[in-house]
Amino acid sequence: QQQVKQSPQSLIVQKGGISIINCAYENTAFDYFPWYQQFPGKGPALLIAIRPDVSEKKEGRFTISFNKSAKQFSLHIMDSQPGDSATYFCAASYMGTYKYIFGTGTRLKVLA
Amino acid sequence: EAQVTQNPRYLITVTGKKLTVTCSQNMNHEYMSWYRQDPGLGLRQIYYSMNVEVTDKGDVPEGYKVSRKEKRNFPLILESPSPNQTSLYFCASSSRADTQYFGPGTRLTVL
Repeated sequence: QQQVKQSPQSLIVQKGGISIINCAYENTAFDYFPWYQQFPGKGPALLIAIRPDVSEKKEGRFTISFNKSAKQFSLHIMDSQPGDSATYFCAASYMGTYKYIFGTGTRLKVLA
Repeated sequence: EAQVTQNPRYLITVTGKKLTVTCSQNMNHEYMSWYRQDPGLGLRQIYYSMNVEVTDKGDVPEGYKVSRKEKRNFPLILESPSPNQTSLYFCASSSRADTQYFGPGTRLTVL
């Protein structure tokens, strides 16, 4: 019940295309769902996050879609750029705690 | 500059030799956490702290200790390191239980 399953493991997209990364969770107690971006040799950095009271959140080219009934959420990167090439992690957390469960990561490569 | 710092950045040690990885943040954050990152496994939380003297186990606490005596510092202690603790370690801090700021990482090799 603690797992967050992330797919795909790796993704190659042409410049200008849409990158889509999916995550699924089991524990309905999770109430905060962030996405992190990590470049080689760096620590992860928060990209965008959503709470289950909304179904979608958009920040620039990055959108989170959230499906509470299916217990799934996804990251969409519109107009993908070579600078977006990085590893992306989804995560889930519980209200009032600092306990986090991360997905296993997706390595994205955007071809120029 | 607001940041999370970790020391050392790289460490090679031998089995059983006690070590401490330090973590410090200058943002006056209440929350701090330690993670390990391994290929194919993503990030796994080791321990976290919601305030001074308040710590709790994450998903993989075995073989690790932490303490939070000051708000800014959250050291990770390996009393008797073993080769399966070879990993990339990240410290993180947050002013609330959401936006986490990660340190640059510590690559540990236990021979």
